[in-house]
Amino acid sequence: TQLLEQSPQFLSIQEGENLTVYCNSSSVFSSLQWYRQEPGEGPVLLVTVVTGGEVKKLKRLTFQFGDARKDSSLHITAAQPGDTGLYLCAGAGKTSYDKVIFGPGTSLSVIP
Amino acid sequence: DSGVTQTPKHLITATGQRVTLRCSPRSGDLSVYWYQQSLDQGLQFLIQYYNGEERAKGNILERFSAQQFPDLHSELNLSSLELGDSALYFCASSPRGLGEGEQYFGPGTRLTVT
Repeated sequence: TQLLEQSPQFLSIQEGENLTVYCNSSSVFSSLQWYRQEPGEGPVLLVTVVTGGEVKKLKRLTFQFGDARKDSSLHITAAQPGDTGLYLCAGAGKTSYDKVIFGPGTSLSVIP
Repeated sequence: DSGVTQTPKHLITATGQRVTLRCSPRSGDLSVYWYQQSLDQGLQFLIQYYNGEERAKGNILERFSAQQFPDLHSELNLSSLELGDSALYFCASSPRGLGEGEQYFGPGTRLTVT
């Protein structure tokens, strides 16, 4: 059974601080997605990483896919209150019949 | 706005009842996914349809069923409702399909069973 773990589960930081959250698995994924979800709303796709070692930047957010395509990290520079939310990673399997697996999420709170 | 619509936004019903949740995918997307999200369980995959056919099943209870119609909209039917079925139900769609991680989520239906 494929599982995705995320750490930390909860994170509360001051505005302007940097942070990194992690997404880990023992399984290899063909691609990995990061989503942000605000309370009561649907998750919103932030990025997809496909190639081992790939790094993508989205303004102050930097996403990295592990070389073995089993893990990923999300680094936020100079966090802002608008970054508050639940960050979910999702892994897609190697075949078109594999289910997409979502991690449990990291709940981030950025305090002004 | 993701382009995925879900109705109703809120639903309050009693135990033992049956409800139907509706989802319209983004224009051109062939795949529809259904998820259940509760505070203690996180986002749980229920079922996926691709162009009208069931393609993958997750932790979907036998009391729950779904279908995707020729116009690609989908319905999730929940019957013999229990208090534990109270949750947010999300629909997502994707352009290519199967095992596709890039999904676009609707705003969700909040179901409360009393």
